[in-house]
Amino acid sequence: AAGVIQSPRHLIKEKRETATLKCYPIPRHDTVYWYQQGPGQDPQFLISFYEKMQSDKGSIPDRFSAQQFSDYHSELNMSSLELGDSALYFCASSLRGDRGQYFGAGTRLSVL
Amino acid sequence: TQLLEQSPQFLSIQEGENLTVYCNSSSVFSSLQWYRQEPGEGPVLLVTVVTGGEVKKLKRLTFQFGDARKDSSLHITAAQTGDTGLYLCAGVDNYGQNFVFGPGTRLSVLP
Repeated sequence: AAGVIQSPRHLIKEKRETATLKCYPIPRHDTVYWYQQGPGQDPQFLISFYEKMQSDKGSIPDRFSAQQFSDYHSELNMSSLELGDSALYFCASSLRGDRGQYFGAGTRLSVL
Repeated sequence: TQLLEQSPQFLSIQEGENLTVYCNSSSVFSSLQWYRQEPGEGPVLLVTVVTGGEVKKLKRLTFQFGDARKDSSLHITAAQTGDTGLYLCAGVDNYGQNFVFGPGTRLSVLP
C-alpha cells in the first residue's frame, strides 16, 4: 500500500539559508501534519492542514511557513535557518475522523 | 509540562520476558494512539483506543485504555529483539485541540 512520501530524505544547509521540505500524503487522506523531532525528543507538532486549509498550529516558528496544494501534497518552507533547526522533520497524513496518523520516513535537516 | 507522561523512560529486558509500559495524563482524551519508532524512521501506528476500558490485542501486544480515558498501557508478552524501539503514546485531548505525543519509552530487548 502507498505510504506517506517525504523528500528529500537528507538536507544540508548553512545558517541563514532557506529550505523546502515536501510531503505527499497517502492517497485519499485529507489531512496533513508536520512535526519536528530533535535528538532524543518526542515529535513536536508544527502545523496541520485539512482540505488544503490550515487547521491547527503548534510550535511552528514565524520563520517557517507551510501550505497544502490542490493535489494534497504539502510543503514546509523554512527561512533564515538556524543551527537549532537541525532535526528530523516528519510529515503525517490521516483521514478526517480517523484518529491515527501515518508518518513518512522523515527529512533529516542539518544546518551547519 | 507534558500533557502525556510515559513510564518507564528506559527499559532493558531479556528476550522472552514480559513488560508493561504506561501512558498517563491528568486530562481526558477522546482517543489515544500507540506508535513504535526506530532510529531515523517515522513513528509507525500500532493501535488506536477510543472507548474507556477498551482492550485491544495485536499478536503479543495488548493495549488497554483506562476507564476514565486518562491513561493507557501497553503489555508485551515474550518480548523479542525485534520489539526494540521507542514506544510513543499520543492523542488529542477531549477539547479536540493539539495532537500531542508523550516523551516515549525506549525499549531494548537483549538476546
